Amino acid sequence: EPEVTQTPSHQVTQMGQEVILRCVPISNHLYFYWYRQILGQKVEFLVSFYNNEISEKSEIFDDQFSVERPDGSNFTLKIRSTKLEDSAMYFCASSGPGHYEQYFGPGTRLTVT
Amino acid sequence: GEDVEQSLFLSVREGDSSVINCTYTDSSSTYLYWYKQEPGAGLQLLTYIFSNMDMKQDQRLTVLLNKKDKHLSLRIADTQTGDSAIYFCAESMESGGYQKVTFGTGTKLQVIP
Repeated sequence: EPEVTQTPSHQVTQMGQEVILRCVPISNHLYFYWYRQILGQKVEFLVSFYNNEISEKSEIFDDQFSVERPDGSNFTLKIRSTKLEDSAMYFCASSGPGHYEQYFGPGTRLTVT
Repeated sequence: GEDVEQSLFLSVREGDSSVINCTYTDSSSTYLYWYKQEPGAGLQLLTYIFSNMDMKQDQRLTVLLNKKDKHLSLRIADTQTGDSAIYFCAESMESGGYQKVTFGTGTKLQVIP
């Protein structure tokens, strides 16, 4: 069964450093998303992406964040200058033409020290 | 804005039925979902219901939707220890051609052998 994959599974970085989180969505899906979950808190929507542009972004998704689909398979989330409060689990998701079922990846745990 | 609320914790004995409840605020929700998150893992879509339905059954899972009260429940029949996880209720609404998903706080289900 096709699945969304994410790398790395765990990333440790120092405050102020740039990180890139990578996702490979399901191959025929058209809509891509990033969510985050701070430990013990809700899963929060960050951004949606369709047709090579951002469809919608939340208040959390400020100028420090950017997304890109650099080729036909990868979808990346870049955090330009990480802060301690960026420590969270980041989930990528994708949905197909019917776009009502969002399939989530296993997540990348980002720890900012 | 959209808000989804769930009780934080539920404990049941193996073999009993579990009922996890959820309330949501947005009456224009299109789909309502239940996701399962096992420790250290991603979000697994368990089932979903379209907002014009009031019940959906899928093997041991029964979803009930009371649209008037904006109440959604997930019943797990014959609960097993492998069902121990956090269960997230989520709602989505059409936004710019895709479904924007809002998650609840999650209910931690503990199954006692």
